[in-house]
Amino acid sequence: AQKITQTQPGMFVQEKEAVTLDCTYDTSDPSYGLFWYKQPSSGEMIFLIYQGSYDQQNATEGRYSLNFQKARKSANLVISASQLGDSAMYFCAMREGENFNKFYFGSGTKLNVKP
Amino acid sequence: DTGVSQDPRHKITKRGQNVTFRCDPISEHNRLYWYRQTLGQGPEFLTYFQNEAQLEKSRLLSDRFSAERPKGSFSTLEIQRTEQGDSAMYLCASSWDRANTGELFFGEGSRLTVL
Repeated sequence: AQKITQTQPGMFVQEKEAVTLDCTYDTSDPSYGLFWYKQPSSGEMIFLIYQGSYDQQNATEGRYSLNFQKARKSANLVISASQLGDSAMYFCAMREGENFNKFYFGSGTKLNVKP
Repeated sequence: DTGVSQDPRHKITKRGQNVTFRCDPISEHNRLYWYRQTLGQGPEFLTYFQNEAQLEKSRLLSDRFSAERPKGSFSTLEIQRTEQGDSAMYLCASSWDRANTGELFFGEGSRLTVL
């Protein structure tokens, strides 16, 4: 089974609007971490936001928030007030394992922000 | 610059040749990962080091692939007898196991083209 599933290959959003990128995960470990990374066309992977499995509140970092629904095993990324510079690939990732050393990535969602 | 650096950034080679990529992680990071990424896909795990010990290798890593991390500092990824299917971006990432979130810090990648 896929560890991380991103079902939206591509998304469009109008500038200044909010957008939600979907991510579901599969793990039997009680302790895990969830991440979102941004990959612009230049190729570098940029860390955006982190949610621990025991965190009670949804993580927020500026315009990014993570909608964590543990029972549904989903970790959707919400980008508020989209900007043209947000156009990029977005990857959901999960860290698990005995020493918290295994990272799995989804197949990504390509976000296009329209002016 | 104290980020993760990779060299070379681009490599074009003929099928059957050997190639070697180098990764210099962030100095205080004890974990180092190699991933492979093909166009439009998420990073696929190849191998992982804790200090100088290679603790895990993916089944994707055939016998033609070998990675080292002597002295727990920089790492090299060698591909012998390259095949056209090896064409991809090879990403190196590092992390510190005592960090609160333990996110991966990525280099800019080494793009391999096998003709």
